[in-house]
Amino acid sequence: AQSVSQHNHHVILSEAASLELGCNYSYGGTVNLFWYVQYPGQHLQLLLKYFSGDPLVKGIKGFEAEFIKSKFSFNLRKPSVQWSDTAEYFCAVNAYTGGFKTIFGAGTRLFVKA
Amino acid sequence: GAGVSQSPSNKVTEKGKDVELRCDPISGHTALYWYRQSLGQGLEFLIYFQGNSAPDKSGLPSDRFSAERTGGSVSTLTIQRTQQEDSAVYLCASSLARGPPPYEQYFGPGTRLTVT
Repeated sequence: AQSVSQHNHHVILSEAASLELGCNYSYGGTVNLFWYVQYPGQHLQLLLKYFSGDPLVKGIKGFEAEFIKSKFSFNLRKPSVQWSDTAEYFCAVNAYTGGFKTIFGAGTRLFVKA
Repeated sequence: GAGVSQSPSNKVTEKGKDVELRCDPISGHTALYWYRQSLGQGLEFLIYFQGNSAPDKSGLPSDRFSAERTGGSVSTLTIQRTQQEDSAVYLCASSLARGPPPYEQYFGPGTRLTVT
C-alpha cells in the first residue's frame, strides 16, 4: 500500500531563512508527486507537481522540490521564506493502482516570524 | 470558472443523528475524492470515484460511512449514527483523469462537522 511520510510536523523559521520540508513515500511503481499548501482560512491549493523529466521542479512563489527516486523522496525547498509563507504544507503521492488514488502526508505546519 | 463547492459549510449535529454532506465538482472532472481532515491528522483518504468505475471505498473508516455520485457529477457523503470522533472537516476534491498525468486535484472549502 502507498504511504507518505512528512518528517516535520511543526517548523518555525524567521523571515529570510531557508526552508526544506522532507517527504518520503513508499510505492515501487511510477508515481506522480505533489506538494499542496493550505494558507490560513483558504482552500488547499497546488504548489507544484512532478510526473517525469527534470527531477527538480519549480512551483509558485519561489518553491521548488527535488525528486530523488533512489531515496523515494520529494523534499520541498525555498531559499528565503517570507511571513506570507505561513501555512500548512502537504506532500501527496498519486499512483496507478487500478485508479489514481492520492495519498497525503500528515502535513507540516510552517510558521514564519516577521 | 466555478470551482469545487461543498455544502453545508458548517454542520452541528447530535450524536446518533445521520448527516449528508454534498460536493459539486468542477464541470468535466471525472474523478472525485473525499477526505477527512482532523487536527494533527493530515488528510485522510475516504473514497474515490472515477467515471463509471466502481468507487474505491478503501478509506471509509466504518460501515456508517457511505458515499454516492449521481450522474457522474454531484456526490453525497453520508454518515449514519454520528459519533463524536466523526467531528472533522470533510474535504472534497475533483480532478481530470484522462490524458497525460499528473492529475492535479482542486479542493472545495470543506464542511466542518461537529458532533455534540
